[in-house]
Amino acid sequence: SQKIEQNSEALNIQEGKTATLTCNYTNYSPAYLQWYRQDPGRGPVFLLLIRENEKEKRKERLKVTFDTTLKQSLFHITASQPADSATYLCALEVTGGGNKLTFGTGTQLKVEL
Amino acid sequence: GAVVSQHPSRVICKSGTSVKIECRSLDFQATTMFWYRQFPKQSLMLMATSNEGSKATYEQGVEKDKFLINHASLTLSTLTVTSAHPEDSSFYICSAPPGTSAGETQYFGPGTRLLVL
Repeated sequence: SQKIEQNSEALNIQEGKTATLTCNYTNYSPAYLQWYRQDPGRGPVFLLLIRENEKEKRKERLKVTFDTTLKQSLFHITASQPADSATYLCALEVTGGGNKLTFGTGTQLKVEL
Repeated sequence: GAVVSQHPSRVICKSGTSVKIECRSLDFQATTMFWYRQFPKQSLMLMATSNEGSKATYEQGVEKDKFLINHASLTLSTLTVTSAHPEDSSFYICSAPPGTSAGETQYFGPGTRLLVL
């Protein structure tokens, strides 16, 4: 069956450290993988998109890697801040999917002082 | 960035009544919009794809007669939950890509919290 799994446990890290979140998928061949941030009671906000032929993408303190052999994406936040505390969702889009996104389970990140 | 709004943000209704939720793209046109449902501590589950000028496409297991979708214009899609029951209580979120190409980012509305008593 198809699955998109993210760290089920909340991730607590200290301010200034790098947070690394994982997204693993099975029985998908995504053309694109996206990461979103969601705050409680709000809609998701787009962060980064990476294509199947790209290994890595960066934007300011954010970095995403995409390994289609391992079927895994890693999402890194460097120099983390308490304001980065939120739930982070990965989402897959397959070729011919008509922009439909399938979301992972989400990982809650808490950055502590 | 592009903005998507939803109305209302919260609604409480009695069991058996119908509730309409609006999703608007404020500064771009969207031929396609998506409707999701999110239960507490869970991820977003796609319910249906709303297509301007044609019928919505529903995901497996979603009752099209219960969740009526109308994509009235290039900036407005509505979701009507008919004969709502307590198990329909959830957080409903819409999204829209600003274009039709593959690999578009999506802009999400702020969500509508529905509570059915």
